[in-house]
Amino acid sequence: GDSVTQMEGPVTLSEEAFLTINCTYTATGYPSLFWYVQYPGEGLQLLLKATKADDKGSNKGFEATYRKETTSFHLEKGSVQVSDSAVYFCALSVPPGGGADGLTFGKGTHLIIQP
Amino acid sequence: DAGITQSPRHKVTETGTPVTLRCHQTENHRYMYWYRQDPGHGLRLIHYSYGVKDTDKGEVSDGYSVSRSKTEDFLLTLESATSSQTSVYFCAIREGQGKDTQYFGPGTRLTVL
Repeated sequence: GDSVTQMEGPVTLSEEAFLTINCTYTATGYPSLFWYVQYPGEGLQLLLKATKADDKGSNKGFEATYRKETTSFHLEKGSVQVSDSAVYFCALSVPPGGGADGLTFGKGTHLIIQP
Repeated sequence: DAGITQSPRHKVTETGTPVTLRCHQTENHRYMYWYRQDPGHGLRLIHYSYGVKDTDKGEVSDGYSVSRSKTEDFLLTLESATSSQTSVYFCAIREGQGKDTQYFGPGTRLTVL
């Protein structure tokens, strides 16, 4: 079945460091790919998305490129801030007719940014 | 803000008691979902709905039932709660056909003693 794999962490970085959180997926067809962010005590917020190969999603300085050849959607940010500390989830959506509706999530990566 | 509220936000209950969680949306979206979030598992789909009275099972549906009698409300029921159902429950909506982004509610933290 469909699956998403991402590093769980915690990932600890210093402020202004470069961030990469790896995400790879297995899916039938051509899924859409998402990154969601969860701040402490809150629900999930959509961070960015990409719907087809070579698309780049971007938001708040974060970027991720849909790489079909490597089945990856790695999240990057050039200079992280303390306020970026959160849990980040990579997810995919099954194309219509591809099975049960709903998102398939990775286990989440806990990011800690130190001043 | 997708206009999603969940109630209650926190609940503590005892093993064997029935529990109902409510998800309410204000924007008449057709698709609604229930997920549970557990450490080491991410979020997993419990049930979803594609219209009034139209529901289907997700990955972890055992021990849960759902109902949707009107567009704005999607109820999740634990008929007889067990400690393994201690979790944070999230409701989500999807805007409709051709739109694949889901938007999440604030969550309900359920503890089963």
